Amino acid sequence: GAGVSQSPRYKVTKRGQDVALRCDPISGHVSLYWYRQALGQGPEFLTYFNYEAQQDKSGLPNDRFSAERPEGSISTLTIQRTEQRDSAMYRCASSLEGIVFGKETQYFGPGTRLLVL
Amino acid sequence: AQKVTQAQTEISVVEKEDVTLDCVYETRDTTYYLFWYKQPPSGELVFLIRRNSFDEQNEISGRYSWNFQKSTSSFNFTITASQVVDSAVYFCALSEAPQGGSEKLVFGKGTKLTVNP
Repeated sequence: GAGVSQSPRYKVTKRGQDVALRCDPISGHVSLYWYRQALGQGPEFLTYFNYEAQQDKSGLPNDRFSAERPEGSISTLTIQRTEQRDSAMYRCASSLEGIVFGKETQYFGPGTRLLVL
Repeated sequence: AQKVTQAQTEISVVEKEDVTLDCVYETRDTTYYLFWYKQPPSGELVFLIRRNSFDEQNEISGRYSWNFQKSTSSFNFTITASQVVDSAVYFCALSEAPQGGSEKLVFGKGTKLTVNP
């Protein structure tokens, strides 16, 4: 079946512009996560949705970052007034709701490589 | 607080050698999950294994094996008879299991494995 998809795969923008990154999770997956991965580092958590509810946004670095998942499926991560330090790979992951041991394994999309000039 | 340490930044081996990637974790929870992901040069994050804290049995999958030891808070990954296709960055990750909360993954910095022919 289809995996997690993300678009665009690459985004080059100028400092100060807003960008919107899209994630389409695996069908039926109720949990959705956003991570950011700098070069040479592991992914770092940004935010988490359970269906359409944003239940954890503790990893969002500042108020320029926001995310939504209005219908409990596709999610959008928006960065306003982009800065050069926002350049990174942005990854989305989704998982099923587990029964016994909680939520299941997170499967990652290919990521969006963001470059802010 | 959760923390994952992968002390080996880079490892280089010759094909057919065995190689072990180390992972040490910190958590205050008694229920948690440990993961390994592979990031090949193409950039995607590929799930390899998930282990919950109540299951200390070692696991073998083909040339891959994992050694989970709660006494030393380690979850090491061994590749037997390495192949060039094993060249990648390998990430160890930890998630806690708050009831009703997000199971965000905390990643180590990764170990870059290069297998030379």
